[in-house]
Amino acid sequence: DTAVSQTPKYLVTQMGNDKSIKCEQNLGHDTMYWYKQDSKKFLKIMFSYNNKELIINETVPNRFSPKSPDKAHLNLHINSLELGDSAVYFCASSQGNREGHFGPGTRLTVT
Amino acid sequence: AQSVTQLDSQVPVFEEAPVELRCNYSSSVSVYLFWYVQYPNQGLQLLLKYLSGSTLVKGINGFEAEFNKSQTSFHLRKPSVHISDTAEYFCAVTRSGGSYIPTFGRGTSLIVHP
Repeated sequence: DTAVSQTPKYLVTQMGNDKSIKCEQNLGHDTMYWYKQDSKKFLKIMFSYNNKELIINETVPNRFSPKSPDKAHLNLHINSLELGDSAVYFCASSQGNREGHFGPGTRLTVT
Repeated sequence: AQSVTQLDSQVPVFEEAPVELRCNYSSSVSVYLFWYVQYPNQGLQLLLKYLSGSTLVKGINGFEAEFNKSQTSFHLRKPSVHISDTAEYFCAVTRSGGSYIPTFGRGTSLIVHP
């Protein structure tokens, strides 16, 4: 069984569009995250949700918004996509301050 | 605030040779330390972690790391690498108390040549 899953795996879209990426974890973890990995492999944490409460929110544009319908899901909505949003987005989960379990990633390409 | 420095962006090595990937961190509080591996086009996978106890930590795939508090280091080692170890390796640190808000290093690309 997949521990952390993301859909879609690939997402190609045009500038100005709005898109969503879904994430689900079946590990029973209490915290979920979104990361952005750029072309140089640098990982930037974007959001973290603990028990449905946003606990960190890095300085990302407000075009990005996380939404957590329940403890097992954390979706990422992106409005008015820009070229610079092209990257790989990873969802992850953890139990408290233990290690993170990462999803396979969503490669977003904005044209 | 905490930070992580991976001293080498790229480490080329021949198959069956030993390798060390270096990681230094800074933090004003106690930390947990992690090494992750990312194979091409995949997500990150935990290699090993230091939470407490023995400073020598063994992980998957024959890797190990040693926590050195005085030198604030957590270097990753493997005595004999394989072609399949070619990947990106990330060191990460988080506060030992409170929520998991990790800081990642910029990654080290391990390239194993035949």
